[in-house]
Amino acid sequence: DAKTTQPPSMDCAEGRAANLPCNHSTISGNEYVYWYRQIHSQGPQYIIHGLKNNETNEMASLIITEDRKSSTLILPHATLRDTAVYYCIVRALPTGTASKLTFGTGTRLQVTL
Amino acid sequence: ETGVTQSPTHLIKTRGQQVTLRCSSQSGHNTVSWYQQALGQGPQFIFQYYREEENGRGNFPPRFSGLQFPNYSSELNVNALELDDSALYLCASSFRQGNTEAFFGQGTRLTVV
Repeated sequence: DAKTTQPPSMDCAEGRAANLPCNHSTISGNEYVYWYRQIHSQGPQYIIHGLKNNETNEMASLIITEDRKSSTLILPHATLRDTAVYYCIVRALPTGTASKLTFGTGTRLQVTL
Repeated sequence: ETGVTQSPTHLIKTRGQQVTLRCSSQSGHNTVSWYQQALGQGPQFIFQYYREEENGRGNFPPRFSGLQFPNYSSELNVNALELDDSALYLCASSFRQGNTEAFFGQGTRLTVV
């Protein structure tokens, strides 16, 4: 799986959009970008994933650059409950499996009033 | 609520002892993975089980072993505990292949003294 680089920490005001960047410059053509988050003392939670098109679900949007070397996770209206560590993970399919993930150190997002 | 349950939630053991941690996968999932998360670090993949056989292993010594049962529940066993084994141990279940997400339990906090 390709290596990812994320900023160690970010702050965001409640109600504003949180934009979390991820660099994955060595990503291969068959590798997907996944985002998980981990709220303090809980297990990681799946957020969203994508291959090359932008994706949106009820939690977030994922914007992947055209060359696929970087991506941004967008939480459109951050709340205090979004305070967590966010992990960007690159995973190959179908040889990789959904529960075998390579976590980095992630970005610690602090949402403030 | 992910449907993945782990027991116990907390455990204190003495160096040199053995420990067994348990995980009940989400209904229908046939693959389970175990992770070790040290304080301040991202989860590290220990191993994965599919159809009761180990199907991938991270950089962990043989004293870390596991079992998967026909009902897809799983155990993580650690022998000859060391102080550095103190960590949060996470279990994740998923379907083996495909474009799916992994569901994590809340973890077992192991302290070795």
